[in-house]
Amino acid sequence: ELKVEQNPLFLSMQEGKNYTIYCNYSTTSDRLYWYRQDPGKSLESLFVLLSNGAVKQEGRLMASLDTKARLSTLHITAAVHDLSATYFCAVDNDMRFGAGTRLTVKP
Amino acid sequence: DTEVTQTPKHLVMGMTNKKSLKCEQHMGHRAMYWYKQKAKKPPELMFVYSYEKLSINESVPSRFSPECPNSSLLNLHLHALQPEDSALYLCASSQLKDGWEQYFGPGTRLTVT
Repeated sequence: ELKVEQNPLFLSMQEGKNYTIYCNYSTTSDRLYWYRQDPGKSLESLFVLLSNGAVKQEGRLMASLDTKARLSTLHITAAVHDLSATYFCAVDNDMRFGAGTRLTVKP
Repeated sequence: DTEVTQTPKHLVMGMTNKKSLKCEQHMGHRAMYWYKQKAKKPPELMFVYSYEKLSINESVPSRFSPECPNSSLLNLHLHALQPEDSALYLCASSQLKDGWEQYFGPGTRLTVT
């Protein structure tokens, strides 16, 4: 059974700092998704990564995929308060989600 | 228009009731999805429709019955639910099933009493 592990589960950051969220998965896959969810809200698609070595960037967020290591990263550059949310990765056609990383950015 | 709409926003139902959740998109997407999300947990995929045909059923109990009447509409019929079925039910759509960005609706918050 496909397992998806995210870490850290909780992340408290200072504004202006950089950090990385990791998403490991247990079986071969070359499709990985990142989502953002604000409290009490629905999910917003951030990135779709479809091949080994894929890198996508949007604003202060950059996502990458290493299918050989079964690892995706979501890198946050110079965090701002607006990035506070829960971030999920999800893998493959079955859309198996990681547990989520609850990010809080403090002034 | 990149919007997925869901009705109702909130639903309270008893264990003997029958109700339906509705989802609609007008983006021409051919894949539509139902997810269940419990509080502080990740979403769990329930059903996937591709070209109006049920593509994936993640072994969901039969008290949940999906229906895709046309390419824009997705329903989830509910019958004899249990209190543990209380959750946020999310609908999503994507251009096609594999490897495409999913657009999520706002969800229906369901409480079973």
